[in-house]
Amino acid sequence: AQTVTQSQPEMSVQEAETVTLSCTYDTSENNYYLFWYKQPPSRQMILVIRQEAYKQQNATENRFSVNFQKAAKSFSLKISDSQLGDTAMYFCAFMKHKTSGSRLTFGEGTQLTVNP
Amino acid sequence: DAGITQSPRYKITETGRQVTLMCHQTWSHSYMFWYRQDLGHGLRLIYYSAAADITDKGEVPDGYVVSRSKTENFPLTLESATRSQTSVYFCASSIRGQRGGYGYTFGSGTRLTVV
Repeated sequence: AQTVTQSQPEMSVQEAETVTLSCTYDTSENNYYLFWYKQPPSRQMILVIRQEAYKQQNATENRFSVNFQKAAKSFSLKISDSQLGDTAMYFCAFMKHKTSGSRLTFGEGTQLTVNP
Repeated sequence: DAGITQSPRYKITETGRQVTLMCHQTWSHSYMFWYRQDLGHGLRLIYYSAAADITDKGEVPDGYVVSRSKTENFPLTLESATRSQTSVYFCASSIRGQRGGYGYTFGSGTRLTVV
């Protein structure tokens, strides 16, 4: 079974600064996908970024980027130029590489607060 | 485009009562999922369904029942609610055969309180 661990329950950052959220996972799979989801106070789950394990290049989406270290089973999220709207719970998630309906396994979450 | 709708958004029920949370999707996605979200645990899978009339247990299925008579609906029933089932419940869906792991589309969640 896969496990995902987020060791930082809470983090805070000043507006316009950079913050990194940590995530580690455990799996015996070689091919898989990793995700970061954002959950603002509205409770909606929003996909921030995804990474395919067979791609060495780190994924980026505007101010969001990841540092994917496959051998270390680490998948951290970097948020640059933090904005007040980035305040949310962030979840790291793992999915096996399958063509049909793979299940997502989530970490415990990190509550990020961006301070003005 | 309504996507996935969950109802109700909030629910308070008494211990021992049966309660059903509704989930409806408009995309004809084959796969649907129910998760519960609890502080310190993230989201945990309760049940999932690969298609109409096909369901399977997830990580925490005890005390829950699901059905899927139609592709678009996937209700979750708590047969006899307990306080430990106080949680936020999310329904999600994904496309069958979708290579690339694009993750799920989530509903907006139901906050259930059992008193």
